[in-house]
Amino acid sequence: AQSVAQPEDQVNVAEGNPLTVKCTYSVSGNPYLFWYVQYPNRGLQFLLKYITGDNLVKGSYGFEAEFNKSQTSFHLKKPSALVSDSALYFCAVGAGANNLFFGTGTRLTVIP
Amino acid sequence: GAGVSQTPSNKVTEKGKYVELRCDPISGHTALYWYRQSLGQGPEFLIYFQGTGAADDSGLPNDRFFAVRPEGSVSTLKIQRTERGDSAVYLCASSLMGQGRSRELFFGEGSRLTVL
Repeated sequence: AQSVAQPEDQVNVAEGNPLTVKCTYSVSGNPYLFWYVQYPNRGLQFLLKYITGDNLVKGSYGFEAEFNKSQTSFHLKKPSALVSDSALYFCAVGAGANNLFFGTGTRLTVIP
Repeated sequence: GAGVSQTPSNKVTEKGKYVELRCDPISGHTALYWYRQSLGQGPEFLIYFQGTGAADDSGLPNDRFFAVRPEGSVSTLKIQRTERGDSAVYLCASSLMGQGRSRELFFGEGSRLTVL
């Protein structure tokens, strides 16, 4: 069985500071890991994914995520936060052959 | 259209009524998914279509829920005898065929269902 944990419901960070949104996972077999972002009244948008290869994955809007197999983590990061980054972020794991299993989400607020 | 389109964006109904939610995927995407997102939760998988057939309906909560995709493009999620617990945002997503678990899903903005 697969699972995803996002331990923080809410993350606050000052504009210009680095941000981290945490995610840990549990899967059998090779993990396929994703980050999606949800802006108010908008659909989920794909940010980045890890399938194989380099542990540091770069994605949209300057975000990146680091796959750590030993810690079973896939934390989302950005070196300098923008107010416009404020949104709901979801970590997900590829489940079975057909779908994604999502975490409960972390609300990021970037304070001007 | 350029993205996944869902209608209606909002639906308010009374307990016991029948509801249909429509999804128009990105042109050329053969895989289509329905998810349900309750308040404060992440999206939960309902059903997956590959072409016209439901390849995986293991996420449908009970037999009141049904989905079709008769021509391999537009899909309709049907909910019979709605209950207050069905209130949620129903999300549709599509993707290219053949990517397996590495596939990137493209989501619509969702249909918010409220059952009074």
